[in-house]
This record gives sequence, C-alpha cells and structure tokens, in this order.
Amino acid sequence: QQQVKQSPQSLIVQKGGISIINCAYENTAFDYFPWYQQFPGKGPALLIAIRPDVSEKKEGRFTISFNKSAKQFSLHIMDSQPGDSATYFCAATPGLVGSEKLVFGKGTKLTVNP
Amino acid sequence: GAGVSQTPSNKVTEKGKYVELRCDPISGHTALYWYRQSLGQGPEFLIYFQGTGAADDSGLPNDRFFAVRPEGSVSTLKIQRTERGDSAVYLCASSRTSGSLHEQFFGPGTRLTVL
Repeated sequence: QQQVKQSPQSLIVQKGGISIINCAYENTAFDYFPWYQQFPGKGPALLIAIRPDVSEKKEGRFTISFNKSAKQFSLHIMDSQPGDSATYFCAATPGLVGSEKLVFGKGTKLTVNP
Repeated sequence: GAGVSQTPSNKVTEKGKYVELRCDPISGHTALYWYRQSLGQGPEFLIYFQGTGAADDSGLPNDRFFAVRPEGSVSTLKIQRTERGDSAVYLCASSRTSGSLHEQFFGPGTRLTVL
C-alpha cells in the first residue's frame, strides 16, 4: 500500500523554467510534509517542509503548495537551474511521538537543460 | 560539524552470508533511523531508535534483520542469511530529538549487493 503517491516519475525542464512535482497522500494523520533532494551517491537532504495549517510556504526559488481537503501537495521550483538536476522525494509523517518515520513517495528525477 | 557517516560505503556479499552495516549519527542526536532504498524507489522506513531503545521496528521486513544501538550513539544494522532481494542502499538518519519538527539528517548510505 503506497501511502504517498508522487508524479511525474521524471521531468525535463529548460533552464529558467518552472518545475512542478505533485504528491497525494491517503493517511489523514499525516501532519508534516517535507521535500527531500537527492544527488547521485548521496543521501537525501531536506529542501523545504510544510505543516497543514498553512496553504503555501516559500523559501527562495522553492515553494510548497498544500491542499488539505484534496490531500495533495506540490513543489514548485522557479527559475530552474542545471544545478537543480536531482531526484526529489516528497514525504509525510504523522509527527506523533514514537511515530516519526517518514513515508516517502517514489521520487521524481528532474533534469534541467542548460 | 561532521554529518552522519556510514560504513562501509559499499558491501558485496554472497547469498546466505551475514553482514553488519554501521551508522555514526551527528553528535548529540538522540533519534536515529534506518531506511532502505531500492533502485528507483524512495527510502522505506526500517527502524527508529530513541536513545538506546528501538521505539518503532515496524519496518523491519523479517527476523533476518536486526539493529542495535547499545550506547545511544553508533548503531549497527545486522542482516542474517542475506538474500538477493536484500540488495539496496541502506540509509541512516539522525535528528536532534524525536518529533517531526526536528529535521532528519541522512548519511550517504551503504550500498549492499548480494550475489
């Protein structure tokens, strides 16, 4: 049972364009939604995260949009750069003490062409 | 300061052998997590330690997998009677304490290949 569904599987964007990655979740107990960026041979690194009490969070070129009623959230990368080429994972966790495990989507491989 | 470190970076073993994978968390981090990442997939949770005790081991796939953290710092993931399906990157993460407000910092992983 996949609790977090992520799309698309791969994405190719031109430099300066907008990259959009979508995720949907099933478990209404989830209350913390991070996005991780992973480069080949490296571990995932936290990019940006949101809690469901806000509908949008922006940090530099990265924005999370959150729709609680639809149980969906998305990552927008503005002015995409070749250095953004990586695999992106959405994740979710109930955030309850004793249940901090992250549930990840399957990932989106982003390629930004120069 | 140093991040999460994992050793070895690569491990090749034969089917049926026993392996140990080591994780050194960030100093002072009390929470430690193990995840497994298969090719083309997202990380999958295995086990979570708060201090020395396993607070949640619901992700361990079967009794061939076991993990310890005897002094509340370094952790070892142990796999008995390895199978080809165990081949994956095993990731370790640590956080300052428990709770979702505390970022999980991941190590580079150990790539396990079972021949």
